[in-house]
Amino acid sequence: DSGVTQTPKHLITATGQRVTLRCSPRSGDLSVYWYQQSLDQGLQFLIQYYNGEERAKGNILERFSAQQFPDLHSELNLSSLELGDSALYFCASSVGGRGTYNEQFFGPGTRLTVL
Amino acid sequence: GESVGLHLPTLSVQEGDNSIINCAYSNSASDYFIWYKQESGKGPQFIIDIRSNMDKRQGQRVTVLLNKTVKHLSLQIAATQPGDSAVYFCAEIPRTGANNLFFGTGTRLTVIP
Repeated sequence: DSGVTQTPKHLITATGQRVTLRCSPRSGDLSVYWYQQSLDQGLQFLIQYYNGEERAKGNILERFSAQQFPDLHSELNLSSLELGDSALYFCASSVGGRGTYNEQFFGPGTRLTVL
Repeated sequence: GESVGLHLPTLSVQEGDNSIINCAYSNSASDYFIWYKQESGKGPQFIIDIRSNMDKRQGQRVTVLLNKTVKHLSLQIAATQPGDSAVYFCAEIPRTGANNLFFGTGTRLTVIP
């Protein structure tokens, strides 16, 4: 158990809908990262937050957004869902977020299926 | 959750043999390289890392080798066990000051008892 929790574990929805994925980092970690794992794209970095502020952005679509709250949990919002958004979404956390390497600990993921 | 599926390189080894998993990375300016293990239904799990100024690093039953000349990374697992069966990913952290990971395709290791 990495100490990172993600809810829900599974999510099934229809095209055009909006969903919210939730992540709680390990106790003491200030950074949260979101990754998408799909069959054709592999594991891809989406976005990072550090202590409530956006720190780095990867291949995140404009239909997707995220935020980190004062209690450090994070939410990834996916809107206008398409079939191709079906994937595993992982959250990871680390102590720090920039300037020096920090090991990332991954949660168990949320499996999103868009029908 | 299952990781990358249809076209993953695969490696099958006999229990007790040594395994070598290879990875070619793309960014010569990357600062750190990390190996992750992903078992079915789970998120990636850290195995070992190596900084770009090193050639070799050893852990418990694992060794990572870095060849910067040809941008190649390898993970050696000694005395492979059935519990080592998983998908293994190499990942790199660019020298930009950010800490986000760029993952390779992954290799599926199957240990034959």
